[in-house]
Amino acid sequence: DGGITQSPKYLFRKEGQNVTLSCEQNLNHDAMYWYRQDPGQGLRLIYYSQIVNDFQKGDIAEGYRVSREKKESFPLTVTSAQKNPTAFYLCASRESSGAYTGELFFGEGSRLTVL
Amino acid sequence: GENVEQHPSTLSVQEGDSAVIKCTYSDSASNYFPWYKQELGKRPQLIIDIRSNVGEKKDQRIAVTLNKTAKHFSLHITETQPEDSAVYFCAASEGYQKVTFGTGTKLQVIP
Repeated sequence: DGGITQSPKYLFRKEGQNVTLSCEQNLNHDAMYWYRQDPGQGLRLIYYSQIVNDFQKGDIAEGYRVSREKKESFPLTVTSAQKNPTAFYLCASRESSGAYTGELFFGEGSRLTVL
Repeated sequence: GENVEQHPSTLSVQEGDSAVIKCTYSDSASNYFPWYKQELGKRPQLIIDIRSNVGEKKDQRIAVTLNKTAKHFSLHITETQPEDSAVYFCAASEGYQKVTFGTGTKLQVIP
């Protein structure tokens, strides 16, 4: 069954701790994205990657880290430097070549709560 | 960078009426404009999109219009049904670059 898998679905973290959110896709998509969703603020881009071993900052990258060592995987680390990390995090992917449709395919999201 | 503004933030309509959601974008290089629907507790899903070389696109009860000169695009839903109740997001992107979203519109269709 093709798609994007995010884990964990729910995560609790103490202040001062780093946490890593997993995002795996088997759609053979080149491009992957991380968005943060807060009530009333829509989807804000944290980082995106167009190809393996390359990624770019989005609009709210401060306090976050990513890596893209494999085409299928794009993990997001929320560091202790992120001042307000409690949010819903969405990972997405899309084609970036060939029969390009432009559609973003989203995972089910990870809800992070800082205690 | 790109900035996408979306209005209204909430919209209530009677079942069977039409709903219109409007978005503006700032980067004239943007050429792809998708609309996503997010039902409560679920992931956003694409409902319709339009490219900059097209002025209007329809898919059954849903239509999108684009005015490149004014840099705005709109979503039109006709004959609304209760299952249309959701949060709708517009977005803009240039080619394969980052996709910038609006702040969302919560649509409530009242039976």
